[in-house]
Amino acid sequence: DIVMTQTPLSSPVTLGQPASISCRSSQSLVHSDGNTYLSWLQQRPGQPPRLLIYKISNRFSGVPDRFSGSGAGTDFTLKISRVEAEDVGIYFCMQATQFPWTFGQGTTVEIK
Amino acid sequence: EVQLVESGGGLVQPGGSLRLSCAASGFTFSSYWMSWVRQAPGKGLEWVANINQDDSEKYYVDSVKGRFTISRDNAKNSLYLQMNSLRAEDTAMYYCSRKRTGYSDYWGHGTLVSVSS
Repeated sequence: DIVMTQTPLSSPVTLGQPASISCRSSQSLVHSDGNTYLSWLQQRPGQPPRLLIYKISNRFSGVPDRFSGSGAGTDFTLKISRVEAEDVGIYFCMQATQFPWTFGQGTTVEIK
Repeated sequence: EVQLVESGGGLVQPGGSLRLSCAASGFTFSSYWMSWVRQAPGKGLEWVANINQDDSEKYYVDSVKGRFTISRDNAKNSLYLQMNSLRAEDTAMYYCSRKRTGYSDYWGHGTLVSVSS
């Protein structure tokens, strides 16, 4: 199974400041079809997961442009350009290149 | 508006069975793969199973193979997860999601399964 490792596990951030989360996979996420199936999910307290980013850098419908994704191969990053109060929650990376799909442990974003 | 509403969770004894349902609306259900993902209390996410549009392809995480069965009824716009031989480690919130190529785009609010004596 592909192991997904996120850092940091906790990220206290000042409102209006940027935040960055790293996700590293134990093997390349480049699929045989040429795509890289790495996505980012947000889970606000008491809520289900919500898709933010798919295929490394594509923002899902309705996701604010302060969220951006980047990376390639085994190293990926989610950035929030200016953290807002509604961004508090847990962020997960997920790979769907190979079965079983696997998730990172989650990174908690909280306001300082 | 895409909506996924799970039901069927509850408290069950180890070794028991439950059948989860997910009612889909707001999209052409029969055109999409679907997934179940679970989350143990206070823990991370774990993918459980996928099913294709016509019920002919199914994939499971190793820990549930032989115990869980994913299925669907396109006429009823519903997804199911039959869970047998339940164990304490199956205790989790179970989410259904709509699968796209390489990701899940819409998620339900989940149904809670507790396995305990």
